[in-house]
Amino acid sequence: GDSVTQMEGPVTLSEEAFLTINCTYTATGYPSLFWYVQYPGEGLQLLLKATKADDKGSNKGFEATYRKETTSFHLEKGSVQVSDSAVYFCALSSFSGSARQLTFGSGTQLTVLP
Amino acid sequence: DTGVSQNPRHKITKRGQNVTFRCDPISEHNRLYWYRQTLGQGPEFLTYFQNEAQLEKSRLLSDRFSAERPKGSFSTLEIQRTEQGDSAMYLCASSWTSGGPHGELFFGEGSRLTVL
Repeated sequence: GDSVTQMEGPVTLSEEAFLTINCTYTATGYPSLFWYVQYPGEGLQLLLKATKADDKGSNKGFEATYRKETTSFHLEKGSVQVSDSAVYFCALSSFSGSARQLTFGSGTQLTVLP
Repeated sequence: DTGVSQNPRHKITKRGQNVTFRCDPISEHNRLYWYRQTLGQGPEFLTYFQNEAQLEKSRLLSDRFSAERPKGSFSTLEIQRTEQGDSAMYLCASSWTSGGPHGELFFGEGSRLTVL
């Protein structure tokens, strides 16, 4: 079945540091790939997505490139801020039965210190 | 804003009691999903509806769990005879048919269940 493996956390960085959170996946067919973010006390929010190989998703300074050859979708940001502290989930969307479902990784807790 | 709304946000109950959660999806979305998230883990799929029809259920959804979407709008998730292992965040999400072109789901803030 489909699965997502995420870099284990927690990750603690100083403000303005470079961030990478690794994500690899296993899926049949051609999934879409997502990064969702969960801020403290809030629901999951879509951060960015990519729908085909070599696509780059970007939002709020975060980027991730869909790499089919390495089955990866690593999240990067050049300069993190305290407000980026949250849990980040990598996910893929593929058909199961008659509907698309999301399969999530276990999440990576990011803490950014001032 | 008419995002996905869930209530109650928090529920504390004693083992053996029944609990019910409600989800109001984004109004133009015809698909509604329930996920469960335990501490330190990503959300896991439970079930989904297209309009009022429940089209798929995960093996995680034991016979103590029942979900309904009677008029194709809001949905309820009931857990009977709760067990401590049911303690989790229950997430509702909605989408257009097939999650739109690329499977994007829109999530509510979740309902946290604590079973004592």
